[in-house]
Amino acid sequence: NAGVTQTPKFQVLKTGQSMTLQCAQDMNHEYMSWYRQDPGMGLRLIHYSVGAGITDQGEVPNGYNVSRSTTEDFPLRLLSAAPSQTSVYFCASSSRQGMTQYFGPGTRLLVL
Amino acid sequence: QKEVEQDPGPLSVPEGAIVSLNCTYSNSAFQYFMWYRQYSRKGPELLMYTYSSGNKEDGRFTAQVDKSSKYISLFIRDSQPSDSATYLCAMTEPVYNTDKLIFGTGTRLQVFP
Repeated sequence: NAGVTQTPKFQVLKTGQSMTLQCAQDMNHEYMSWYRQDPGMGLRLIHYSVGAGITDQGEVPNGYNVSRSTTEDFPLRLLSAAPSQTSVYFCASSSRQGMTQYFGPGTRLLVL
Repeated sequence: QKEVEQDPGPLSVPEGAIVSLNCTYSNSAFQYFMWYRQYSRKGPELLMYTYSSGNKEDGRFTAQVDKSSKYISLFIRDSQPSDSATYLCAMTEPVYNTDKLIFGTGTRLQVFP
């Protein structure tokens, strides 16, 4: 039981490049979320999903895209990277939205 | 004003001390209250979870909720160097048919031997 896994662990991008952050969970959780964590800002919700085929925006969705084709996977796409997207990104899953969230180890992203 | 306020610290205490970590909130609709612990370069992990006003104890950790004052606390007794981490409070607000989770900014705790 691996829990929540994220790849890559670290990534450097140039402004304007696109990339996909991968997230997978093996706990059969319906709810999955993406957060970004910045100093002094705490964890902010980017997008979330309440089940396969269903996604919705969180607090800071601009510049990010998500899809949920399976229960296990919830990738986050950066469409055109900007320096303001430099952050640590965490994926989380739970059996119910807002309840006990299991977090992945994070992806550290640097946009130059 | 943020919905959840948390002192960022850092808080530095000697081993064996009692630690008090606090959060205040403004939204009376918040229902569930949690504390997450985050070690450096790791994801947050759930430490304590409570619903009603009062105290909940788990080993050296006690979570306290005062809904009338909109104030929650986490107490750590006999603190250990392994408790050194960032502690985030979190609260849920029911939104339509789901729950919205709001995090505090986190308090960094350092316990020195």
